[in-house]
Amino acid sequence: GDSVTQMEGPVTLSEEAFLTINCTYTATGYPSLFWYVQYPGEGLQLLLKATKADDKGSNKGFEATYRKETTSFHLEKGSVQVSDSAVYFCALTTGNTPLVFGKGTRLSVIA
Amino acid sequence: DGGITQSPKYLFRKEGQNVTLSCEQNLNHDAMYWYRQDPGQGLRLIYYSQIVNDFQKGDIAEGYSVSREKKESFPLTVTSAQKNPTAFYLCASSKTDPSGNTIYFGEGSWLTVV
Repeated sequence: GDSVTQMEGPVTLSEEAFLTINCTYTATGYPSLFWYVQYPGEGLQLLLKATKADDKGSNKGFEATYRKETTSFHLEKGSVQVSDSAVYFCALTTGNTPLVFGKGTRLSVIA
Repeated sequence: DGGITQSPKYLFRKEGQNVTLSCEQNLNHDAMYWYRQDPGQGLRLIYYSQIVNDFQKGDIAEGYSVSREKKESFPLTVTSAQKNPTAFYLCASSKTDPSGNTIYFGEGSWLTVV
């Protein structure tokens, strides 16, 4: 079945550091790819998405590019802030099916 | 405001009791979902429904039941058959979108068995 693999956390960075969270996937067909963010005690919020190969999703300074050749959708941000501390989830769907999530990566940004 | 409302936010249950978690959406979404979140395990799908009066089991449906009598409502019952129900439960909804489902989440419900 479809699956998503994320890098294990936690990831701890200093403010203004560069962030990369790796995400790779296995899917039948051509999935749409998503990054969700969860702040403490809250539900998940959509951060960005990409629906076809070579698409780049972006939002709030975060970016991810859909790489079909490497089956990857890595999340990047050039300069993280303390307010970016959260858990980040990579996810996919193929056609009209529920999202399949990775296990999440906890990010802590220290001032 | 449009969105997904889950209630209660916190719930305590004695062993052997059933409990129902409420989920209501006013986004006019066709599909609704229930996920369970445990530390270090990400989100796991319990049940989902793509149309009124129809629903499908997800990966961990045992010990849970749902109904979809109205488009805007998708309550989840955690039965006494669920062996380890203490968790954070997330309800979500989406349109049926050929480009892929963008799913919107509620704020979640914490269930603790005491």
